Amino acid sequence: SQTIHQWPATLVQPVGSPLSLECTVEGTSNPNLYWYRQAAGRGLQLLFYSVGIGQISSEVPQNLSASRPQDRQFILSSKKLLLSDSGFYLCAWSGGGGGRDTQYFGPGTRLTVL
Amino acid sequence: AQSVAQPEDQVNVAEGNPLTVKCTYSVSGNPYLFWYVQYPNRGLQFLLKYITGDNLVKGSYGFEAEFNKSQTSFHLKKPSALVSDSALYFCAVPGGGNKLTFGTGTQLKVEL
Repeated sequence: SQTIHQWPATLVQPVGSPLSLECTVEGTSNPNLYWYRQAAGRGLQLLFYSVGIGQISSEVPQNLSASRPQDRQFILSSKKLLLSDSGFYLCAWSGGGGGRDTQYFGPGTRLTVL
Repeated sequence: AQSVAQPEDQVNVAEGNPLTVKCTYSVSGNPYLFWYVQYPNRGLQFLLKYITGDNLVKGSYGFEAEFNKSQTSFHLKKPSALVSDSALYFCAVPGGGNKLTFGTGTQLKVEL
């Protein structure tokens, strides 16, 4: 069966520091991969998605970047964190059927920028 | 553009009573519709999906959803609510390309 991992689970970082969040998927090949942010409250904001190694689509211009160095690895990065980067970051995967495929989410990373 | 709307920010229901969480959609063509649940500080969990066919879709944890084409709705239901059902619920629709468009979420609170 497929599983998705995210780490770290929680992170407290000072403003201006770098960021690296990692997501890995097991038990599937060539998944679509997604990064979402959920700010305080509830709304989900799609940040990036990837349909293959090295292929990244950015949904919102911002302080963050994403990379996919391996088929089942998706990394979210920042060179300098802002206070507004605080939130709950969720990684998800789906099959290659486009938006009609079910997305499966990881456990999330709670980021607090101070 | 494909979209969903969740008109209620919060729904309160007594344990043992039936619950309904509302979702309406706006799509072109035949809709694919999803329901997810999120418990505090956890990722979203897939509950169920409507593709085509039977208008009543059964999902995980005793939840079901009723697809109504004339009312463009896809309400989530459960015959008897549990306190453990208290969570944040999202409906979603394919948003073009490889993306899902989520609603704003409905907080369900089940009280003893």
